[in-house]
Amino acid sequence: KQEVTQIPAALSVPEGENLVLNCSFTDSAIYNLQWFRQDPGKGLTSLLLIQSSQREQTSGRLNASLDKSSGRSTLYIAASQPGDSATYLCAVQNTGRRALTFGSGTRLQVQP
Amino acid sequence: DVKVTQSSRYLVKRTGEKVFLECVQDMDHENMFWYRQDPGLGLRLIYFSYDVKMKEKGDIPEGYSVSREKKERFSLILESASTNQTSMYLCASSLGGDREKLFFGSGTQLSVL
Repeated sequence: KQEVTQIPAALSVPEGENLVLNCSFTDSAIYNLQWFRQDPGKGLTSLLLIQSSQREQTSGRLNASLDKSSGRSTLYIAASQPGDSATYLCAVQNTGRRALTFGSGTRLQVQP
Repeated sequence: DVKVTQSSRYLVKRTGEKVFLECVQDMDHENMFWYRQDPGLGLRLIYFSYDVKMKEKGDIPEGYSVSREKKERFSLILESASTNQTSMYLCASSLGGDREKLFFGSGTQLSVL
């Protein structure tokens, strides 16, 4: 059974710092990996989707990488801003399965 | 933009009540999902549907049922609500196939007293 782990559970950084969020998964037979953002009391917003054949995806200040063989993904946020404060979740879709398996998330706070 | 709408933002129900949570998507998506989110446990899949009248159990289906009579609407039913079903319920949809982005509704915070 797929297990997704995110470390750290919480992170606080000063504004302007570059930071990396980590995600690991136990079963490397995946179709894709997605990173989501969740604001308090709200639903999830998809940030980036990396197909299993890809190594990375970029959107603005966000860059996500995928190393399928080692079961790891990172989300890099450049020049962090207070508006980036949220919980970031990663999720993987296993081969032959329609639903995603989620990690528990990293709660990020960017201090002005 | 895809819009996934959950009918209620907050709900308070009594133990034993039958509860309906409604979800509607406006982009002709084939796949629809119900997750619950609890502190420390993350998101867990309850049920999903990949076509009208088709459904599959997720990881925690006990105590729940679902209905998908029309493509755009996916309902989660708590037959007899219990206090351990107090949670944030999240509906999501995706276009189809196996490699598509997932779009979420805003969530329904259900409290069962």
